[in-house]
Amino acid sequence: ETGVTQTPRHLVMGMTNKKSLKCEQHLGHNAMYWYKQSAKKPLELMFVYNFKEQTENNSVPSRFSPECPNSSHLFLHLHTLQPEDSALYLCASSQIPPQTNEQFFGPGTRLTVL
Amino acid sequence: DAKTTQPPSMDCAEGRAANLPCNHSTISGNEYVYWYRQIHSQGPQYIIHGLKNNETNEMASLIITEDRKSSTLILPHATLRDTAVYYCIVRVDYGQNFVFGPGTRLSVLP
Repeated sequence: ETGVTQTPRHLVMGMTNKKSLKCEQHLGHNAMYWYKQSAKKPLELMFVYNFKEQTENNSVPSRFSPECPNSSHLFLHLHTLQPEDSALYLCASSQIPPQTNEQFFGPGTRLTVL
Repeated sequence: DAKTTQPPSMDCAEGRAANLPCNHSTISGNEYVYWYRQIHSQGPQYIIHGLKNNETNEMASLIITEDRKSSTLILPHATLRDTAVYYCIVRVDYGQNFVFGPGTRLSVLP
């Protein structure tokens, strides 16, 4: 595996389900990110992890719970989601410092909440 | 971070150069210009970034005006696989937050 991988690629869940999205980076980076891309809206940053520590949470509802067990893996735990949470969820990684280094994105998980 | 303005869509003939403009008139001295693209239903792909000087890599060239208020991404020989949404992003040198706007939808035509 190379680059940034995400599983599953597609997920359909009900509002009462609990599911998790997984991201793995094979680039030796130390920063990882979750982004959300809703239909017809720009990408929105959700969470930032630097050296496994969460450094940014962009006012994301608590029904989204991130976890970063090590610098290569990032999870997004989902529970009691709403239909408006349906979106493409993208994971990215980068090497810091410097913060100007580019972020490498995974292919995304297409989530549908029924 | 400074706001960017891009045309919503552009067409380019295959084999010709694609020149994608971006206005960032409120850019400040410590803000970099980044370009990403997103092919349908895939994750964004990094293309290039710069601060003041023009930059070139194997994918594209980035031309930044002297006053830094605008820039142009140049794909020298566009192919059908370059059809994508191209995002111009301005970001401070200490920030990790990429703020993506609506971008420019480039269609490369045969």
